[in-house]
Amino acid sequence: DAKTTQPTSMDCAEGRAANLPCNHSTISGNEYVYWYRQIHSQGPQYIIHGLKNNETNEMASLIITEDRKSSTLILPHATLRDTAVYYCIVRVYNTDKLIFGTGTRLQVFP
Amino acid sequence: NAGVMQNPRHLVRRRGQEARLRCSPMKGHSHVYWYRQLPEEGLKFMVYLQKENIIDESGMPKERFSAEFPKEGPSILRIQQVVRGDSAAYFCASSPPGAGLRDTQYFGPGTRLTVL
Repeated sequence: DAKTTQPTSMDCAEGRAANLPCNHSTISGNEYVYWYRQIHSQGPQYIIHGLKNNETNEMASLIITEDRKSSTLILPHATLRDTAVYYCIVRVYNTDKLIFGTGTRLQVFP
Repeated sequence: NAGVMQNPRHLVRRRGQEARLRCSPMKGHSHVYWYRQLPEEGLKFMVYLQKENIIDESGMPKERFSAEFPKEGPSILRIQQVVRGDSAAYFCASSPPGAGLRDTQYFGPGTRLTVL
């Protein structure tokens, strides 16, 4: 199974871009990178996913390096409500379970 | 609200009792997943079900835990003879029938089980 490495915690000023890195150096060619977040003790919220190309939606952008060994989730204008634990997950090939690591605790401050 | 629904949101049981957790997937979704989150830990996969079939139960404890997803009605996670170590948040997720790897899982709000 591909493993992910994320910083334990990060801070970001409100209104600034939050850039959350993730290393997945053992990712296989057909494994997707998913990002979820968990606000306080709520259910995880899907943010974005990608395979090779950069992706953007209404919540965030996902930048995947050309060798696919790392990626960055970008929240373009962080708000206080973006304070959460962010999980970078590599979808295990040919199975459906998500393997959650410890994630990055993002604190957005005023 | 067409999201994943779980009930009850909070459940208190005494040791030795049974706990039943229910999950209604999003409309049109036929795949259900159960995850458990112990205090201060990440989510751990338990079981993956399709209608009337258990597809992957590799994360389920060998005893006391069972899950079903009948043809009609919600998915049920059942814990018999609960112990204090079962106290956790239990999350259900669902995804549509589709191409497997590309299916996004959408999570419910969770059931917080407390065993006294």
